[in-house]
Order: sequence, then structure tokens, then C-alpha cells
Amino acid sequence: SQTIHQWPATLVQPVGSPLSLECTVEGTSNPNLYWYRQAAGRGLQLLFYSVGIGQISSEVPQNLSASRPQDRQFILSSKKLLLSDSGFYLCAWGQGEQPQHFGDGTRLSIL
Amino acid sequence: GENVEQHPSTLSVQEGDSAVIKCTYSDSASNYFPWYKQELGKGPQLIIDIRSNVGEKKDQRIAVTLNKTAKHFSLHITETQPEDSAVYFCAASSDYKLSFGAGTTVTVRA
Repeated sequence: SQTIHQWPATLVQPVGSPLSLECTVEGTSNPNLYWYRQAAGRGLQLLFYSVGIGQISSEVPQNLSASRPQDRQFILSSKKLLLSDSGFYLCAWGQGEQPQHFGDGTRLSIL
Repeated sequence: GENVEQHPSTLSVQEGDSAVIKCTYSDSASNYFPWYKQELGKGPQLIIDIRSNVGEKKDQRIAVTLNKTAKHFSLHITETQPEDSAVYFCAASSDYKLSFGAGTTVTVRA
């Protein structure tokens, strides 16, 4: 069966520091991969999606970037974090017309 | 792009009663409508979905209805139990990108 892993579960970072969040999927090949951000009490906002290695589409302009160095690995990064980058970050995978499945997220706090 | 609105934002029901959450969408090309349940500190979990070629789908105590003409869809939970307490999200998609509603916090009172 397919599984999705995100880490770390929680992260506290100072303003201006770099960021790297990792997501991996097991049990499937060539999945579509997604990064979402969820603000407190709000819905999920799609940040990036990828349909293949090295293919990244950005949905909203922001301080973050994404990369897909391997088929089942998706990384969310920032060179310098802002206070506004705080939130709950979720990775998801999907395939064709199959539904998307989410990881358990990373709670990011910027101080 | 797609815009999904979800109501109500909070819902409190007595255990055993039914809960109904409603969503509307704007893009008539949307053809896939999943519902997710999110518990505290966890990622959303898919609980049921429906495609535009059907009007209703049921899975035990959960059902979803879709009205493509009116561009709205609803989640119905019958015989609610305390473990149904969570945040529920609707979403709509015409390709592989989902647009989510803002969520409904459901509280089931014992």
C-alpha cells in the first residue's frame, strides 16, 4: 500500500533562517506531488505541485520554493524565512484521477 | 480559478442526530468533489468523494449529494458519534488540482 511521510512534525525557526521540509511517498511511482499551507482555522492553499521529476508549478507568489529531485521526493525550501511563513504545511500525493492523500503535516513557527 | 464556499463554519449536534455541511463551487468544469476529515494535529483524510456523473454516493453513515446544475454539493452524516467530531473540508477539481472550502468544525455532544 502507499504511504506518505513528512518531517519534521514540528519546527521552530528564527526569522531569516533557511528552511527545508521533506516529503516522501512509498508504494507508487510517478505520483503527482503537492505542497499546501493551512493557516489557523482556514482551508488549504495549494503552494506547489509537480507532475514529474524536476517539474514544479507554483500557484502563489511567495518566499518559498519547491524541488523534486527524485520521483517520490518533494522538498519545500526557503532561503530566508519571514514571520508570515508560519503555518501548517501539508504534503499530498495523487495519481491520475485518483484522490489526493495527505501526510500528517509540519507545524512551522517563525520567531 | 475555482472558488469553493463551505457552510456552516461550525456545527454542533447532539449524538445520534444528523449533520449536514454544504458547499458551492464556481467552475462548471469541476468534475470531482472529495470530502476530507481532519483531526487535531493530523493531515486531512479522505472520507468520501463523488464524480460529476453521479448525483449521490453513500458509505455507511456518510453520504454525499451533488447538484451540477446548481453547482453545490453536500455531506450528510447520520447517527453522529463523538468520534465524528473533527474539521471537515470539501473540495472541487477539474484537473489534478484541488480547491478547498474553508472547513467546518463539527462537534458532537454526548
